[in-house]
Amino acid sequence: EVQLVESGGGLVQPGGSLRLSCAASGFTFSSYAMSWVRQAPGKGLEWVSAISGSASTTYYADSVKGRFTISRDNSKNMLYLQMSSLGAEDTAVYYCAKRAYMYGYCDSWGQGTLVTVSS
Amino acid sequence: DIQVTQSPSTLSASVGDRVTITCRASQSISTWLAWYQQKPGKAPNLLIYKASSLEGGVPSRFSGSGSGTELTLTISSLQPDDFATYYCQQYNSFPYTFGQGTKLEIK
Repeated sequence: EVQLVESGGGLVQPGGSLRLSCAASGFTFSSYAMSWVRQAPGKGLEWVSAISGSASTTYYADSVKGRFTISRDNSKNMLYLQMSSLGAEDTAVYYCAKRAYMYGYCDSWGQGTLVTVSS
Repeated sequence: DIQVTQSPSTLSASVGDRVTITCRASQSISTWLAWYQQKPGKAPNLLIYKASSLEGGVPSRFSGSGSGTELTLTISSLQPDDFATYYCQQYNSFPYTFGQGTKLEIK
């Protein structure tokens, strides 16, 4: 059974940084691309970033480009999202999601971790 | 970037009704579209991929159709468990944009 468990969320001041982690299990982690998707309180889903299985390719939404960095450690089955220069607009639940093999949709999701940017 | 416009934003319906939600893309996405269901406080759940392929374990009352710039999700006979928010997502090209969501409410 696929399991994705996010951690690292919390309260951070504007301009601050935070690193989210996602522990993956139940599948061959290195074979699958992964994504981060976020959802601001009461709002819709927003795709944030994606990374290939080998970590050779990364993609970002314009709203986070230059501020967020996605990475992975295939030896530890871990996905990360390093976030910096955080603003109130980054307040959201952040979901880690496994992408389907060779396709772009997400077939498994974590439970999410809440990031609150506030002074 | 490809924009995805989902409609309606809210839909009121009764158990047993047939409902349709539409996603329109700003350019052709062929059939590279997925549909998700989300319930309050929960992560999204994949329903349909490649426009019309049903994810395993999803009831057959859910179906998807269309290609190009107009794609639809149909629920043939609403059940109480179906009242939730639905999102489409294009994965034709990055960034993989979501529609704004459709909240399906009990009439």
